[in-house]
Amino acid sequence: EAGVTQFPSHSVIEKGQTVTLRCDPISGHDNLYWYRRVMGKEIKFLLHFVKESKQDESGMPNNRFLAERTGGTYSTLKVQPAELEDSGVYFCASSQSRGYSEAFFGQGTRLTVV
Amino acid sequence: GDSVTQMEGPVTLSEEAFLTINCTYTATGYPSLFWYVQYPGEGLQLLLKATKADDKGSNKGFEATYRKETTSFHLEKGSVQVSDSAVYFCALTSSGGSYIPTFGRGTSLIVHP
Repeated sequence: EAGVTQFPSHSVIEKGQTVTLRCDPISGHDNLYWYRRVMGKEIKFLLHFVKESKQDESGMPNNRFLAERTGGTYSTLKVQPAELEDSGVYFCASSQSRGYSEAFFGQGTRLTVV
Repeated sequence: GDSVTQMEGPVTLSEEAFLTINCTYTATGYPSLFWYVQYPGEGLQLLLKATKADDKGSNKGFEATYRKETTSFHLEKGSVQVSDSAVYFCALTSSGGSYIPTFGRGTSLIVHP
């Protein structure tokens, strides 16, 4: 079974540009999460999809961030326009059911805004 | 809201030393507790978990016991190896947090030969 896959693994963009991150969850996992980790700090929650619906987007930092999940399958996270403080590692995770079951993580996308 | 506090790193040990990484939590109700590990260049993977008080999770020689009275879930290993060098994250899910996994800031472990 394929795991959670994220593209690209690294991205370096200039301030003001747009970047789109993609996450392919494990097939059949209804729950999809986006997280961000800034160097040395905690893994911070951004948002949660259940199938194609945004269940909780309380962690999204501002309206420069837009997440979608097409047909309840893969998800994209777009940052437009990117700012220096958006740099970090963006993780995607999926799970079959909430609560006791573990979340499976992708390898992350390292975003550097210069 | 839910929160997880981990000890600051990095933790630097010699091979075969005893490891403890402290983790305490704040949560509503009865959370499930997890330890995740991130090896260099890889994503997070579940190391072990415990879903109720006094449960002990174990995997690859690592152990952690769910202590409700002290709200702790400390990670231990009796004899670490160089291959254990990684970042370790304590996490929880709870009904009060809508079961969204909440993480600590991670503790980097460096094991020298």
